[in-house]
Amino acid sequence: AQSVAQPEDQVNVAEGNPLTVKCTYSVSGNPYLFWYVQYPNRGLQFLLKYITGDNLVKGSYGFEAEFNKSQTSFHLKKPSALVSDSALYFCAVRAGNDYKLSFGAGTTVTVRA
Amino acid sequence: DTGVSQDPRHKITKRGQNVTFRCDPISEHNRLYWYRQTLGQGPEFLTYFQNEAQLEKSRLLSDRFSAERPKGSFSTLEIQRTEQGDSAMYLCASSGDRGNEKLFFGSGTQLSVL
Repeated sequence: AQSVAQPEDQVNVAEGNPLTVKCTYSVSGNPYLFWYVQYPNRGLQFLLKYITGDNLVKGSYGFEAEFNKSQTSFHLKKPSALVSDSALYFCAVRAGNDYKLSFGAGTTVTVRA
Repeated sequence: DTGVSQDPRHKITKRGQNVTFRCDPISEHNRLYWYRQTLGQGPEFLTYFQNEAQLEKSRLLSDRFSAERPKGSFSTLEIQRTEQGDSAMYLCASSGDRGNEKLFFGSGTQLSVL
């Protein structure tokens, strides 16, 4: 079985400050890890993924994520948040030999001007 | 690449009625997924197709739910005898064949069962 935990329902930051959205996972074997973002009335949009290689992954809109195998974490980060980053963020995992993604419950990010 | 299309965007129905949703994946994608999302939760896997073959069904998919993907192109998800607990956003996604590929999601069909 595979699962994802996003311990924070909400994250509030001021524009220009660093943004971190936490994610921990559980999976058998090597994990494939993803971050998606969901804006109101729109589908999930892919941000970035970790498959193998460098533990620091860079993605869309200035986001990055760090894979930490010992802590089974894959936290999403952005050095300087924008008001337009306000959205619902989902972490997802699947085992390397599986095909379905398991999603966390999501974290609502609010960036205040 | 025209993206994943879902129809309708919204569906309101009375309890006990049948509903059918359609998903048109990205044309070159062989893999197609259905997920369900309720308020405050992440998407939950329902079923998966590789071309026209339905390879896995979640235990969430009761026998009132059926999905098809004839000819490996578009897919339909039917819910028979709808219940209020079926109210949710139904998401369709597609991907290519490589194991590390991301999923492309449609905008979803919001079902409300009255």
